[in-house]
Amino acid sequence: NAGVMQNPRHLVRRRGQEARLRCSPMKGHSHVYWYRQLPEEGLKFMVYLQKENIIDESGMPKERFSAEFPKEGPSILRIQQVVRGDSAAYFCASSPSVSGPNYGYTFGSGTRLTVV
Amino acid sequence: TQLLEQSPQFLSIQEGENLTVYCNSSSVFSSLQWYRQEPGEGPVLLVTVVTGGEVKKLKRLTFQFGDARKDSSLHITAAQPGDTGLYLCAGVGSNTGKLIFGQGTTLQVKP
Repeated sequence: NAGVMQNPRHLVRRRGQEARLRCSPMKGHSHVYWYRQLPEEGLKFMVYLQKENIIDESGMPKERFSAEFPKEGPSILRIQQVVRGDSAAYFCASSPSVSGPNYGYTFGSGTRLTVV
Repeated sequence: TQLLEQSPQFLSIQEGENLTVYCNSSSVFSSLQWYRQEPGEGPVLLVTVVTGGEVKKLKRLTFQFGDARKDSSLHITAAQPGDTGLYLCAGVGSNTGKLIFGQGTTLQVKP
């Protein structure tokens, strides 16, 4: 039973390019969350999605960032025209549709984005 | 805005010592969770506490949820080098369904 799968593990982009981060939740989990982490810091909430719906995007920057969780396939976090300040670790987590957030999230291993 | 403050931010101790990490907020949370994160990996859930005053034990780790559900603590007895890592508390935000994380406590246990 695979956990939350994120790819790629490491991503290097030049300033101005696009970064696409993928997340496949645990089997049976329909709630997906994206978080961002800077070194030696906690996780900052970005967006909460269910299948084909954005539930809460209050942590997403207004420009250049978007997220989707289509009916089929993984959730995608897209960052357009990346800048150096976007360099961070991006984590995806999922939770089961029935239990909800009170039962804890399962996190992926993250994608480490480096903008050069 | 709901915030969680963790203290201390950094802790370096010798093997065998005891320690306590605190997680405080002015807001009430429906539940609090503790995660441990190792370098290069995602956080791993250790425990969820739901009821005010609840105490949960996980081997040498003891977790407590405050009576008012605004704070929590993690106590480690006889720390070992394998306990080294980043410890994060997280609360379920009211009416949001999302987890709000504290800034973390970096623990180093020296042999």
